[in-house]
Amino acid sequence: DTGVSQDPRHKITKRGQNVTFRCDPISEHNRLYWYRQTLGQGPEFLTYFQNEAQLEKSRLLSDRFSAERPKGSFSTLEIQRTEQGDSAMYLCASSFPESYTEAFFGQGTRLTVV
Amino acid sequence: AQKVTQAQTEISVVEKEDVTLDCVYETRDTTYYLFWYKQPPSGELVFLIRRNSFDEQNEISGRYSWNFQKSTSSFNFTITASQVVDSAVYFCALSEAIYNQGGKLIFGQGTELSVKP
Repeated sequence: DTGVSQDPRHKITKRGQNVTFRCDPISEHNRLYWYRQTLGQGPEFLTYFQNEAQLEKSRLLSDRFSAERPKGSFSTLEIQRTEQGDSAMYLCASSFPESYTEAFFGQGTRLTVV
Repeated sequence: AQKVTQAQTEISVVEKEDVTLDCVYETRDTTYYLFWYKQPPSGELVFLIRRNSFDEQNEISGRYSWNFQKSTSSFNFTITASQVVDSAVYFCALSEAIYNQGGKLIFGQGTELSVKP
């Protein structure tokens, strides 16, 4: 399968715990995005990387959130001290750098904070 | 600021009916890109179409067609002869055109389409 892969698909965690999600983009894509989608809403942009450089972060990305993309390959999104409001679907997408190209999405990681 | 509005939250039709999903956008950019994505229950967003702001030609792909009108800032999506497999949430999205500063998508809230047999 050469699509965008996300792991895990589902995560249930207790409030206050740290969680980390992984995204493996399509290999030839050098741009990688993270989005968050809550129930009944469209995805909201969190951050994106071009290769290993994190070029933009949304105001939605509080200090408890950190994303990395070492060596410009896979990416991780970590949430520290999770809160119930963090419960959402976290979507990863990848694309070529030109903004006219479409982004390809993974199936997402559904986080539930209890 | 950029914004995408999909006023129809839910639409329910009977199989073989035609259905149009509305999308209205706001942007101050003169160059931008519009997209439609489909999100089936599995959760993965599936790309359907991209249109740039300079190309107002309508497009047809099988049972799908898109009507882009800059004058009304709309990019509507029509499914002809709908099928049960078309049931999904459909998102309209807008992208800035500035290389290295854009590419991120601004999504509407989505329209949930239910096609009943």
